[in-house]
Amino acid sequence: EVQLLESGGGLVQPGGSLRLSCAASGFIFSNYAMTWVRQAPGKGLEWVSLISGSGGRSNYADSAKGRFTISRDNSKNTLYLQMNSLRAEDTAVYYCAKAPNSAYDTYLDYWGQGTLVTVSS
Amino acid sequence: DIVMTQTPLSSPVTLGQPASISCSSSQSLVHSDGNTYLSWLQQRPGQPPRLLIYKISNRFSGVPDRFSGSGAGTDFTLKISRVEAEDVGVYYCMQGTQLPRTFGQGTKLEIK
Repeated sequence: EVQLLESGGGLVQPGGSLRLSCAASGFIFSNYAMTWVRQAPGKGLEWVSLISGSGGRSNYADSAKGRFTISRDNSKNTLYLQMNSLRAEDTAVYYCAKAPNSAYDTYLDYWGQGTLVTVSS
Repeated sequence: DIVMTQTPLSSPVTLGQPASISCSSSQSLVHSDGNTYLSWLQQRPGQPPRLLIYKISNRFSGVPDRFSGSGAGTDFTLKISRVEAEDVGVYYCMQGTQLPRTFGQGTKLEIK
C-alpha cells in the first residue's frame, strides 16, 4: 500500500525558513517523480515543485523559484522541501504527491495527508 | 501558464441524480507524445485530494464506475451517473501537459 507522510510544518515568522519532509513507503521510491502541491486555507490547489526519480531534474512554480528547494534522498525514501524567505502568502497545507513515472507528474496518483505551514509574526 | 476554468463552481444535486462538471483549458492539452494529460481529483471535506480520472477518461484504481470522464483538446467533462452522499466535496481538474501544472478553481458538489 502506497503511503506518503508529510512532516515539518508549523508556525514560522515572515522571512524564516522551514524544511518539510515526506516519508514514502509501499513503492520503489527512486522509480517515481514526486511533487509538492499546496492549498491555502479555504482555497484551491497550487502546484509548487517537481523532482524526477533520480533527483537530477527539478522544476518550480514562479512563486517558489529562488526561495524553495526540492530534494530527495532515495536511500531514505524521503522527499524534502526547503522553504526560505517565507511570506504570509506561503501559509498553506503542503501535500506531497506521487507521479506515475520517473520523469514527469503528468498526473498525481497518490497524495499524503498534508502538513500545515503558517507564516505569521 | 495554462489556465483551467471549471463550471459550475457550485453544484447542488439530489441523491441518486446525475451530476456533471466542465473544465476548459486555455490551450490544447494534447502532449507531443500524443496523450492528453487531463485528470480529475476529488477532495472530500477535511481530506487530501484523491485521483479519480487520468488521461481524460481512465478511472484510477478503486474509483466507482459511476464516475466517468470525457472530452478532447480544450474541453473536458466529469460525470457522476448517480450521486451518493460520499461524493460530497470539491472536484478539481488538473493539466499535466505543460509545466507549471495548473488546476481548475474547484467545483463544490453538495446535496440538495
